[in-house]
This record gives sequence, structure tokens and C-alpha cells, in this order.
Amino acid sequence: KAGVTQTPRYLIKTRGQQVTLSCSPISGHRSVSWYQQTPGQGLQFLFEYFSETQRNKGNFPGRFSGRQFSNSRSEMNVSTLELGDSALYLCASSLALGSSPLHFGNGTRLTVT
Amino acid sequence: GQQLNQSPQSMFIQEGEDVSMNCTSSSIFNTWLWYKQDPGEGPVLLIALYKAGELTSNGRLTAQFGITRKDSFLNISASIPSDVGIYFCAGRGGGGADGLTFGKGTHLIIQP
Repeated sequence: KAGVTQTPRYLIKTRGQQVTLSCSPISGHRSVSWYQQTPGQGLQFLFEYFSETQRNKGNFPGRFSGRQFSNSRSEMNVSTLELGDSALYLCASSLALGSSPLHFGNGTRLTVT
Repeated sequence: GQQLNQSPQSMFIQEGEDVSMNCTSSSIFNTWLWYKQDPGEGPVLLIALYKAGELTSNGRLTAQFGITRKDSFLNISASIPSDVGIYFCAGRGGGGADGLTFGKGTHLIIQP
């Protein structure tokens, strides 16, 4: 069974630009969550999607948004990029909303210059 | 918000030694998870715990869900070089309404 797939693996963007990251969950998993990982703050929850609707949200500004498609694939968008947005963005999937465990992809490394 | 204190931050051990790390929470969790992350990869699930007092093993790894539901530990027996990496605990609160709260990680370094 294929794992969680995230594309692209690496991105370099300039401050002020926007970026879209993509995530394909494990087949049969209907919930997708996004996490930001930085050396200073560690792993922090961004949001969780289920049935194409955002169900839970972490403590991040509105510049961070996402969506989920009918095939459970998800995208995450960050607008007006700031230097502090440089991080590893991890997508995780699970069978259902709020269920555990979460299975993570290998992440997208975003560098903002 | 919920906070997880994970300790130790790093461990330098000899190959073959046993390892122990733990996490404590400021609030109650209904689920405890332990992950390992290698450089350039995402966290990989090691053990999932769903019930207070539960003790679960996965090969040389053993983890327990504390009775108070505010703590968990992970033990690794007879460490080997491939155990090197960063270990994270994670918890989820009641109702599954929140994402996972992660500890800051324990960096395990094994000296041959």
C-alpha cells in the first residue's frame, strides 16, 4: 500500500509570494492533516480536513489555508510568505476524522528568502 | 493550550544499552503516540496507545499510557545503530477535536 505522498519535496520562494503544497493520502484514508515543523517550535498542528471540509484548525494566521478534494487529496496554501514560514510542512492521513494513528508523508521543505 | 514536556532532549548511549524517555502533559490525553523521525523523512509511527494503563510492545520497543492519562514513556531495549534518530511523543485530547500535540523530541545518539 502506498504511503502518504507529498509534492514537491523542496520549494524556494521569495517573501511576499504564495505557495501551494500537495498531499495524496494513503488509499482509503479520508482525513488529512497538515503540520508545520521548525527547529524552534517543533511540530505544530495547522488543520485537519475530512469530507472536503476543514474540521479542526490550529493556531496559525489566515494566510495558511487548505482544501480537500472528493478523492481525499489535499492542498495547502500559504499566501504572502514571510521568512518565518520557512519550515518542513508535513501531511498526515488517517482513516477517519479525529482518529489515530496518523501516518505522515516525508514533507515539503519550504525555504523563504 | 496543551503542552507536552518530553525528556530527555538528547541521549548519548552505547550500543546494546537500554533507553528510556518520557512525556508529561499539562492536560489529559485520550491517545498517546510515539513516532521516530530520521533526517529528511517524515515521522514514522512506532506505537499507539489508546487506554490508560495500557502497555504495548513493538519488537524491542515498549510504551505505556500513564494511569493519570497525563504521561507516557517509551523504552528501547538493547539499542542498535539504526535506532539513532529523533523520537517524538504525541497526544490527542478528548473527542478528537484537536490535532496531535507533539513533544519537542528526544535525540538518540548511539556510540558504537
